[in-house]
Amino acid sequence: NAGVTQTPKFQVLKTGQSMTLQCAQDMNHEYMSWYRQDPGMGLRLIHYSVGAGITDQGEVPNGYNVSRSTTEDFPLRLLSAAPSQTSVYFCASSPTPGRHEQFFGPGTRLTVL
Amino acid sequence: RKEVEQDPGPFNVPEGATVAFNCTYSNSASQSFFWYRQDCRKEPKLLMSVYSSGNEDGRFTAQLNRASQYISLLIRDSKLSDSATYLCVVNGGSFQKLVFGTGTRLLVSP
Repeated sequence: NAGVTQTPKFQVLKTGQSMTLQCAQDMNHEYMSWYRQDPGMGLRLIHYSVGAGITDQGEVPNGYNVSRSTTEDFPLRLLSAAPSQTSVYFCASSPTPGRHEQFFGPGTRLTVL
Repeated sequence: RKEVEQDPGPFNVPEGATVAFNCTYSNSASQSFFWYRQDCRKEPKLLMSVYSSGNEDGRFTAQLNRASQYISLLIRDSKLSDSATYLCVVNGGSFQKLVFGTGTRLLVSP
């Protein structure tokens, strides 16, 4: 039982490049989400999904896309990377976020030059 | 006003001390409250949920005050291993969205 896994752990991009951050969970959780964490800002919700085929925007969705084709996977795509997207990205899953523990992946540290 | 506010600290305490953190929230419709712990350069992990009647888990006690819209975390007999950032988390009126505070940093020294 691996829990929530994220790849890559570290990534450096140039402005304008695109990439996909991978997230997978093996707990059969319906709810998955992506957060970014910046100094002094706390974790901010980017996108979330309440089940396969259903996604919605969080607090800071601009510049990111998501899809949820399976219960297990929830990739986050950066369309055209900008320096403002330099951050630590965490994926999380939960049976239901408000009533149950959210399980976080180890994070991806992204730097955009 | 931020939805969830915490004193960033750091709180510097000696081993064995008792320390308390408060967190205020702005959405009176919030129904779920949590404390998460985050170690340096690691992911957040649930420390404890906060119930209306208050709850205790070993050295940790969490309280909720709905009238004043704040939650608290009390740590007794602090250990070196308690050094971490403690995140206050509140559901923002919707069970599908959690709002995280910026965290309170605790440093426990020998």
